[in-house]
Amino acid sequence: ETGVTQSPTHLIKTRGQQVTLRCSSQSGHNTVSWYQQALGQGPQFIFQYYREEENGRGNFPPRFSGLQFPNYSSELNVNALELDDSALYLCASSLAGQQFTDTQYFGPGTRLTVL
Amino acid sequence: AQSVTQPDIHITVSEGASLELRCNYSYGATPYLFWYVQSPGQGLQLLLKYFSGDTLVQGIKGFEAEFKRSQSSFNLRKPSVHWSDAAEYFCAVFRGSNYKLTFGKGTLLTVNP
Repeated sequence: ETGVTQSPTHLIKTRGQQVTLRCSSQSGHNTVSWYQQALGQGPQFIFQYYREEENGRGNFPPRFSGLQFPNYSSELNVNALELDDSALYLCASSLAGQQFTDTQYFGPGTRLTVL
Repeated sequence: AQSVTQPDIHITVSEGASLELRCNYSYGATPYLFWYVQSPGQGLQLLLKYFSGDTLVQGIKGFEAEFKRSQSSFNLRKPSVHWSDAAEYFCAVFRGSNYKLTFGKGTLLTVNP
């Protein structure tokens, strides 16, 4: 059983650019969630995808968007990057049941720096 | 709105000493509670979780946590800390209606030799 993997590990972009982060879910998991963790803070929920549809969203603007593919891998896209987008982006996969009371397993994260 | 409070930003203990990290939550219904650990520059590793039943739950690496509904708390404990336990610890609440984990701001644990 493979764990959650993310790519790239680190990324440096400039303000105004666009970025795509990738996540490969744990084998058998059908749900992926994305979190932003700013320095010194706890992770903040961005959104969740279940069976390729957005299933819930946190307090993030529309320039944060995502995709989930049939193989349950996922992308997080951020447009018009701002300096405050600099953070560790974490992907978490889970196997959702009817009540979604499932445990989320996290990847190692992608460190994004916006200059 | 639900929230999670970890009152201690930084705790220092000596190796071999006991440890208790505090977590309080604000949530109207019975919560699903988690503790995660994060080593520097790493993702989050699940230590333990509480969904229902026995209020004392055992986790990995010798950690345990106790759910106390009357105090809205879910404190993490370990009887004897090892140097490798130095990391940041996050308490989190899951709310099924919006499918998200809400995290506290974390407690940084330093272990002195």
